[in-house]
Order: sequence, then structure tokens, then C-alpha cells
Amino acid sequence: GAGVSQSPSNKVTEKGKDVELRCDPISGHTALYWYRQSLGQGLEFLIYFQGNSAPDKSGLPSDRFSAERTGGSVSTLTIQRTQQEDSAVYLCASSLGGTSGGAYEQYFGPGTRLTVT
Amino acid sequence: AQTVTQSQPEMSVQEAETVTLSCTYDTSESNYYLFWYKQPPSRQMILVIRQEAYKQQNATENRFSVNFQKAAKSFSLKISDSQLGDTAMYFCAFMKHVLSWGKLQFGAGTQVVVTP
Repeated sequence: GAGVSQSPSNKVTEKGKDVELRCDPISGHTALYWYRQSLGQGLEFLIYFQGNSAPDKSGLPSDRFSAERTGGSVSTLTIQRTQQEDSAVYLCASSLGGTSGGAYEQYFGPGTRLTVT
Repeated sequence: AQTVTQSQPEMSVQEAETVTLSCTYDTSESNYYLFWYKQPPSRQMILVIRQEAYKQQNATENRFSVNFQKAAKSFSLKISDSQLGDTAMYFCAFMKHVLSWGKLQFGAGTQVVVTP
């Protein structure tokens, strides 16, 4: 596809359930990022992938959050035992990677709105 | 740690007029990038403009331009000839230059409303 895609667009889950959010980056982009957007905290970085490895997981808020990337492409963010404070929009972005200026530009998907009831 | 501050929660502008959004940041880094992103009600974050810290020339993209003052750590966005489609939340973002990647640190955003 032409852009970053995310699924589902919206997810409503009950407190305590596990959820999986999917991100499909732009073809050829080696770097992939997850961010969270919430009313109280604004936009926060969660985790970054270069290829299939995650050099920086510093933004993951707790050990209930995990992410993986396979084949240098699709990534899944998993939240276990969801809590109400996990309600937010989860945004995925990708970039070319590399050292030229344009390689740093991050292109975002439309996000997944997660509501924990 | 870097911080990004957008002091204007909301700005209103009439069609065809010009509006300037302010952004200041705090960093001890010398090599970094600054960005403006636009988020309309559709929720899609759209890159508006990018500025490399080592470049003195201000970036311009069509009706969007920036005023980058490195010493003052200021990075304002000017939208000229405003259009109804410019109505959106605008986020200023900082990226430290680290090898081939960089996480974005965002300001709180400024809601721009363009009125007919």
C-alpha cells in the first residue's frame, strides 16, 4: 500500500482482556515506531524497531505492554490485562532509516483507538 | 531530557489570512531535527515541514514556512493564505540525531481553526 496501515481502527475491550494492535509500514521502510496519544499525557513514544530488533523500548509504560516485528515489516503491539488507563489512540509510524535527512521523516498510520471499559 | 513547549492551545484565523504558531524547545544537543505535524479530525498525522538544526536557512513548503532561531531555541510555523482544510491540531516535534533513527518528542499541540 501507499501508506502506513493499522488495524483495527477502533477496539473496545473489557478491563483485564488482552488486545493486539497491528501496524503495516510503508514498503521498504526499515524503521518502525509506536506512539500513544491520550488526553492526559499527549503524544508519547513507546518503542522503536530497526528491522526486527527493538533497540529502544524505553517508552513502554509497564511489562503488560510488548511488541514484536516480523520479516522486517508488520508489527504487533500487545497489551495484556488491559486497564482503563490504557485507553488511548495508538499510532504507528515508519521511516526509511539511514543517514540522509529525509530518511528521518516519520510517516504515520491512522491509529487505533482503544477503549477499555 | 528535551522538552517541547507550545504555548498557544488554540488559534483562530480567517480564510486567506496568515497565522503563526509558536514552539520553543529545550535541549543540550547540537545536532537535531525539528518538525511540524498536522492532525485533522481524521486523526491522521501528516508531516508539514522539517528543519535540520545545522541549516541556517528556514524551511519552506508551499504556504508553510518556519522561523528557526537556534540560539533562542524557537521554531515557529507560519501558515499563509489559510484555507479551510488547514483546520487541524498542529504539533511541534523534536528529534535528536542518533545514527539512523530518532524518536519524536511532541509538544502539547495548537488547535488551528480557519473560519470563512
